[in-house]
Amino acid sequence: EAQVTQNPRYLITVTGKKLTVTCSQNMNHEYMSWYRQDPGLGLRQIYYSMNVEVTDKGDVPEGYKVSRKEKRNFPLILESPSPNQTSLYFCASRRFLTDTQYFGPGTRLTVL
Amino acid sequence: AQSVTQPDIHITVSEGASLELRCNYSYGATPYLFWYVQSPGQGLQLLLKYFSGDTLVQGIKGFEAEFKRSQSSFNLRKPSVHWSDAAEYFCAVGAGGTASKLTFGTGTRLQVTL
Repeated sequence: EAQVTQNPRYLITVTGKKLTVTCSQNMNHEYMSWYRQDPGLGLRQIYYSMNVEVTDKGDVPEGYKVSRKEKRNFPLILESPSPNQTSLYFCASRRFLTDTQYFGPGTRLTVL
Repeated sequence: AQSVTQPDIHITVSEGASLELRCNYSYGATPYLFWYVQSPGQGLQLLLKYFSGDTLVQGIKGFEAEFKRSQSSFNLRKPSVHWSDAAEYFCAVGAGGTASKLTFGTGTRLQVTL
């Protein structure tokens, strides 16, 4: 089954404790992206990657890091999480421009 | 930089009535435009997209949208709403040659009354 998976689905952590949210897709997609969703703000793009070792900033990259060492994986790293990073995070992937973008199920992160 | 405005935060329609959700965008070049739907507790699903060509695009679940360059709009329509259409709807604009940078609107929550 074609899918985008995220782990963990739910995470409660404390300020400053480094964490990684994994994202994996089994569709051999070149393009992957991370978004955060906050009430009243819609989805905002954090980072995206056009292919292995190619990443770029979205609209809200501060406080986040990403890496793309393999085509299927695109982890989101919070080196020192803060309460304002409490949010619902979505990973997404697609093959090329005209292809449909598939979203993962989301990761709800709470930073205390 | 591109931007998207969805002026209606919340809309209520009766089942069987027609629906139009508004979307206005700002982008200097020809935009790539998308409509997504998000059901409660779910991820996002693509309804339809516009890249070029015919300005009236058909999507899944009976939805359509019309690109109007002169009005910078990409409104979503459905002639007859079903109760299962209750969800949140997001318009998005993609920038760059590959629409790699996506900017979403703040969403419109649709409630359907029976």
